Amino acid sequence: DAKTTQPPSMDCAEGRAANLPCNHSTISGNEYVYWYRQIHSQGPQYIIHGLKNNETNEMASLIITEDRKSSTLILPHATLRDTAVYYCIVRVAGGADGLTFGKGTHLIIQP
Amino acid sequence: GAVVSQHPSRVICKSGTSVKIECRSLDFQATTMFWYRQFPKQSLMLMATSNEGSKATYEQGVEKDKFLINHASLTLSTLTVTSAHPEDSSFYICSARTAGGPDTQYFGPGTRLTVL
Repeated sequence: DAKTTQPPSMDCAEGRAANLPCNHSTISGNEYVYWYRQIHSQGPQYIIHGLKNNETNEMASLIITEDRKSSTLILPHATLRDTAVYYCIVRVAGGADGLTFGKGTHLIIQP
Repeated sequence: GAVVSQHPSRVICKSGTSVKIECRSLDFQATTMFWYRQFPKQSLMLMATSNEGSKATYEQGVEKDKFLINHASLTLSTLTVTSAHPEDSSFYICSARTAGGPDTQYFGPGTRLTVL
């Protein structure tokens, strides 16, 4: 799996959009971008994934640059419950391997 | 949908005893389950990959005789920590990959193991 780079921490005001960046400059053509988050003392939670088109679901939006070297996860209206560590992972879809977690971004939502 | 449960959520045991942790996919069949370990203030580290009906594949540095994995059905995998020692105290998390559909792993809530 290709490596990713994320800022170690970010703050965001409650009710505002949280934009979490991820660099994956060595991503291969068949690798997807996955986002998970882990709230303290819980198992990770799947958020969203995409290949090259922007994606949106009930939790978040994923914006992938045209060259696919970076992406941004957007939480449109952050709440205190969104405080968590967010992991950006790139991997080949359908691969048999487990996930390789980096250090992620600790997002802190401020009241 | 795609719910994964773990049992127990928390266990405290004496050094030298064995502890079994169960991981179940509640509403889907999981041909592959994964076991991770997370030490305080660190990220998750993959321990092993468990395929239904076959032997688990362990990551480098993970002792297969100490961490016994059984994946007897499409909805259940178990991890047994044998002869546990204080350094095995950690947060153990399983995940299950859906068979077919998007390649998404769904994680259990984790099991906090404390070895005294």
